[in-house]
Amino acid sequence: DTEVTQTPKHLVMGMTNKKSLKCEQHMGHRAMYWYKQKAKKPPELMFVYSYEKLSINESVPSRFSPECPNSSLLNLHLHALQPEDSALYLCASSQDLGFGLAGGETQYFGPGTRLLVL
Amino acid sequence: DAKTTQPNSMESNEEEPVHLPCNHSTISGTDYIHWYRQLPSQGPEYVIHGLTSNVNNRMASLAIAEDRKSSTLILHRATLRDAAVYYCILRRNTGNQFYFGTGTSLTVIP
Repeated sequence: DTEVTQTPKHLVMGMTNKKSLKCEQHMGHRAMYWYKQKAKKPPELMFVYSYEKLSINESVPSRFSPECPNSSLLNLHLHALQPEDSALYLCASSQDLGFGLAGGETQYFGPGTRLLVL
Repeated sequence: DAKTTQPNSMESNEEEPVHLPCNHSTISGTDYIHWYRQLPSQGPEYVIHGLTSNVNNRMASLAIAEDRKSSTLILHRATLRDAAVYYCILRRNTGNQFYFGTGTSLTVIP
């Protein structure tokens, strides 16, 4: 099973709402990623978890709060978002082979959650 | 982080070979060259990767210049299903940084 699943597929929320995006993989991968993708732009890295610890935060505003409850699950909690946060949010995973071996790792991406903030 | 430069868009006729170029003049000795593609309304998917030698798989071939400052993704016979944005990415051999470049939008003409 090489699938990364994301729920929900679509989400509409107001600026005062709190919502969460969910990502799941069962490939035994130990690195999980969140990306944000605006229309006709490449994905932008937001967060990386390695062995359930946050290892990279690309200066993302605090209204985005990631969580990795276990090695298979990744959540992105959303609160007080702005309309400009409307985008496709992609989750990915990779093995996390460690120092000296990361270069050859493949990332597996989910289909994304399309978020609209009103 | 080392950057990649790709043409914004390319066209190909169906069933013809396609050569998608990528420049990465600041590549370091341990950076791997990865190619991913993103079909419309989907997440990116892995295509191929390499370090120094040319690579082949069922999807494509990767030709890497001897000085590693450029590479070319080769689709041997383009089909309509190959219409996508193709991203050339340099992946370090340490850490989990993974940064997309601007990509090339490939149009396949029937």
